[in-house]
Parts: sequence; C-alpha cells; structure tokens
Amino acid sequence: AQKITQTQPGMFVQEKEAVTLDCTYDTSDQSYGLFWYKQPSSGEMIFLIYQGSYDEQNATEGRYSLNFQKARKSANLVISASQLGDSAMYFCAIEGNTPLVFGKGTRLSVIA
Amino acid sequence: DTGVSQDPRHKITKRGQNVTFRCDPISEHNRLYWYRQTLGQGPEFLTYFQNEAQLEKSRLLSDRFSAERPKGSFSTLEIQRTEQGDSAMYLCASSWAEGYTFGSGTRLTVV
Repeated sequence: AQKITQTQPGMFVQEKEAVTLDCTYDTSDQSYGLFWYKQPSSGEMIFLIYQGSYDEQNATEGRYSLNFQKARKSANLVISASQLGDSAMYFCAIEGNTPLVFGKGTRLSVIA
Repeated sequence: DTGVSQDPRHKITKRGQNVTFRCDPISEHNRLYWYRQTLGQGPEFLTYFQNEAQLEKSRLLSDRFSAERPKGSFSTLEIQRTEQGDSAMYLCASSWAEGYTFGSGTRLTVV
C-alpha cells in the first residue's frame, strides 16, 4: 500500500517570497513517481511537477522545484517568488504499481 | 480536443435516484481513472481502465457504484440508489505514459 502524508493543513506566504510545502510518502514499490498538483477554487487539478524515484536530479519546472530526499522519503515542493495566483490547494501524490494516491493537501494563501 | 471532458459539471439529485456521469479522455490516452473527492480531502481512487478492460474495481465504494468503458474511448460512472454521503466531486483522469490529465469534475449533490 502507498501513503502520502501532508502535515501542513494551511500555509501563508508573502507575495514574492519562497514557500516549501511538505510531503512524505510510504511505499514498498522499488520504482515509483511523485507528483504535485494544484487545485484552485474552480476545482480543476493542475499538474505542476513530477519526480521519478530513479531520477538523480531534483525536478524543476519554472518557479516550481521538488526537493526529493529518497532516504527520508520526502518530496517537498518549493515555490519561488510566490504570486497571488498561487493561492490554492496543493496535493502531493504517488504512483507505483497502483494508480495515483493523494495526500490530504495543503491550502496555500499568498498575501499581498 | 486538448483535454479531459466531463459531463455534467453539476448534478443535483434526490436520494434514491440513479445518476450517471460521463468522461471523455484525451483521445490518445489508453488509461482512464475515476476518483472521488469530498470536501477538504484529497482525491480518492475508485477504479481505472486500460482501453476497455477494467483493471481495478475493488476500490469502488459499494456495489451501488459501477463503471464502464465499452469501446475503450469514453467512460461512464453510475451510482444507483444515491445517498447523501455520495455528495462529492467525481474526477476523471486519463494517461498514456507518465502524467495524468484531470477533467474539471462532476459535482454531485444528493438532497
């Protein structure tokens, strides 16, 4: 079984500052992938970034980067230069031999 | 068609009625997934298909829930004898290799 734990129900960040959203995972699969999705109030799930378990480099996509620490089973999302439009729910998810399993999410609020 | 389409966007139904939702995936994606999301929670996996084969259905919440993908293209999710606890957002996603693309969801309200 796979599990994602997101321990921060809500986070606040000042506009233009960086923020880290925590994610730890548990899996018995040797090969797996970690995903982050953004869900604004409109409800759509927007893919942000992906990290494969065998990727040696941390993934980056524009202002998003994933701090992957395999030994600690953590996959934290870093958002640099926060914008007001970043206010949303953020979900970490894992895929191994089974489809995506999501955490409970973190609500990020960006303050002007 | 550049995305996953779900219909309807919203559905209000009376308790005990049957409802059916439709999902049209990205055409070249062979895998299709259904998730349920309740307020304040992450999406919860229900079932998925590879082409027309349903590969996992043990996570369907009860025998009132069923899903089909008869020709390996669109899929339907049916809930029979709806209950108030079925009120949620039902999300569909499709994938090919890596990466899932989600639709905008169908929000079900059972009154």
